Amino acid sequence: GQSLEQPSEVTAVEGAIVQINCTYQTSGFYGLSWYQQHDGGAPTFLSYNALDGLEETGRFSSFLSRSDSYGYLLLQELQMKDSASYFCALREGGKLIFGQGTELSVKP
Amino acid sequence: EPEVTQTPSHQVTQMGQEVILRCVPISNHLYFYWYRQILGQKVEFLVSFYNNEISEKSEIFDDQFSVERPDGSNFTLKIRSTKLEDSAMYFCASSPGQGLLNEQFFGPGTRLTVL
Repeated sequence: GQSLEQPSEVTAVEGAIVQINCTYQTSGFYGLSWYQQHDGGAPTFLSYNALDGLEETGRFSSFLSRSDSYGYLLLQELQMKDSASYFCALREGGKLIFGQGTELSVKP
Repeated sequence: EPEVTQTPSHQVTQMGQEVILRCVPISNHLYFYWYRQILGQKVEFLVSFYNNEISEKSEIFDDQFSVERPDGSNFTLKIRSTKLEDSAMYFCASSPGQGLLNEQFFGPGTRLTVL
């Protein structure tokens, strides 16, 4: 089966940079994705890595190291609206297997 | 921008009753999914649907659950006899095609409360 681990909570200040780590175990790798979920809202796709390295999308970047079964989401120039839960997710077949989520609190 | 829509936003039902949750995926998408999220927990996969049939289902998706695409736009999840533990937020999602299965577009969800 598959499993993912990520920190339950992270706190940072507005304007700062924060990194949310994700380690995973899987028997077949099809990519690591990141989703954002505001309180009670729909998960929203942020980024995806199939190959090692950094993918940049505006203020958000995602990194993958397949040899270490590790990835992270980097959020730069934090804004108050970035306060949300962030989930890493593995694809197994067509479905997504989500981690438990990291609640990010951005303080002024 | 096209989006996935779901109705109703909130459904309250008595234990043992049938509920149907409705979704309209993005129109040119080919893969459809139902996920659920119990309050405070992670999002869990229920079922995926492609080419008018179930392609995968989880252990949660037992005989009490069924899905249908009755026409070219709607995608429904039916729970035949609801249990208390079915209380959760149910999300419908869709994705465009084989090369983009990691990017799934989620609807706003239906909050199901079973009393």
